[in-house]
Amino acid sequence: NAGVTQTPKFRVLKTGQSMTLLCAQDMNHEYMYWYRQDPGMGLRLIHYSVGEGTTAKGEVPDGYNVSRLKKQNFLLGLESAAPSQTSVYFCASRPLRGAVNQPQHFGDGTRLSIL
Amino acid sequence: GQQVMQIPQYQHVQEGEDFTTYCNSSTTLSNIQWYKQRPGGHPVFLIQLVKSGEVKKQKRLTFQFGEAKKNSSLHITATQTTDVGTYFCAGRRGSSNTGKLIFGQGTTLQVKP
Repeated sequence: NAGVTQTPKFRVLKTGQSMTLLCAQDMNHEYMYWYRQDPGMGLRLIHYSVGEGTTAKGEVPDGYNVSRLKKQNFLLGLESAAPSQTSVYFCASRPLRGAVNQPQHFGDGTRLSIL
Repeated sequence: GQQVMQIPQYQHVQEGEDFTTYCNSSTTLSNIQWYKQRPGGHPVFLIQLVKSGEVKKQKRLTFQFGEAKKNSSLHITATQTTDVGTYFCAGRRGSSNTGKLIFGQGTTLQVKP
């Protein structure tokens, strides 16, 4: 059981380039989330999904797009990368079953630098 | 802006000393979760508090949820070097079933051996 897997682990981009971060979970979780982590800012929610084919904006969605074509995958796209998007990106998932208070399971993160 | 405030941002302690981090929300939370992130790692769930005034313990860690469900604390007794990391509180507001959490900024704990 791999849990939540993020690829790539590291990436350096030039301003204006595009890329897609992939998050895959093998726990059959319905909910998936993308966060960014910056020093002193904690974890801020970018986008989330409550199920296959659905996505919604989080706290800081500008400059990012997401897709959830398959239940196990949640993709985060940067169409035109900006230096302000230099950050560590975490994907998380959690199940629907049981109370809404299920903990989130995090991937190892993607460290992204935009030059 | 940030609606869950966590203090202090950093704490350096000598091994064996106690440590406390505090989490305060501007609004009532339906529950609060605590996560630990080791240096270079990812957040890992520690515990969840749901009831007003709830207190839970995990070995040397004691978690409290305030009576008004607007604040919470994590207290570590007799810190060890294995306690090093950043501790985050994360709260959920209302009855939404999206599971969205609002994270505090985190408290980074350094323990000197």
